[in-house]
Amino acid sequence: GNSVTQMEGPVTLSEEAFLTINCTYTATGYPSLFWYVQYPGEGLQLLLKATKADDKGSNKGFEATYRKETTSFHLEKGSVQVSDSAVYFCALSDRQGAQKLVFGQGTRLTINP
Amino acid sequence: NAGVMQNPRHLVRRRGQEARLRCSPMKGHSHVYWYRQLPEEGLKFMVYLQKENIIDESGMPKERFSAEFPKEGPSILRIQQVVRGDSAAYFCASSNRGQGTPYEQYFGPGTRLTVT
Repeated sequence: GNSVTQMEGPVTLSEEAFLTINCTYTATGYPSLFWYVQYPGEGLQLLLKATKADDKGSNKGFEATYRKETTSFHLEKGSVQVSDSAVYFCALSDRQGAQKLVFGQGTRLTINP
Repeated sequence: NAGVMQNPRHLVRRRGQEARLRCSPMKGHSHVYWYRQLPEEGLKFMVYLQKENIIDESGMPKERFSAEFPKEGPSILRIQQVVRGDSAAYFCASSNRGQGTPYEQYFGPGTRLTVT
């Protein structure tokens, strides 16, 4: 079945550092890929998405590129801020049927000033 | 434009009691998903419902768990005879499925269930 593997956390960085959170997936067919962010005590918010190979999703300075050849969707940001501290989830969904989301285990990111 | 509403936000139940979790989807959304998040883990799909229909319940435990999404009112996730292992955060997401692909799911704030 489909699965998502994320870089294990927690990750702690200083403000303005470069961020990479690795995500790889296993799927039959051609899934859509997502990054969600969860702030403390809140639900998940969609951060960015990509629906086909070589698509780049971007939002709020974050980027991720759909790499079919390496089955990856790594999250990057050039200069992180304290407000980026949260838990980040990589996820995929089938393009047909229920389109239920399959999540990675999450990566907790802490940014120190 | 109200988002997905879930209540209660926190629920404490003793072992053997029933837990009822409610989810009101975004206005205009007729598709609801329930996910469970165990401590320090990612979210796991439980069930997908449309109005008055269960479409996919492949992630639901076979016993004690049920879900409904009536024609009127919120979606309900019901857990009978709760056990400590049911302690988790339960998230609801809603979708329009009428525009674009993939159909974006909008998440509520979750209900944190604690079984004592």
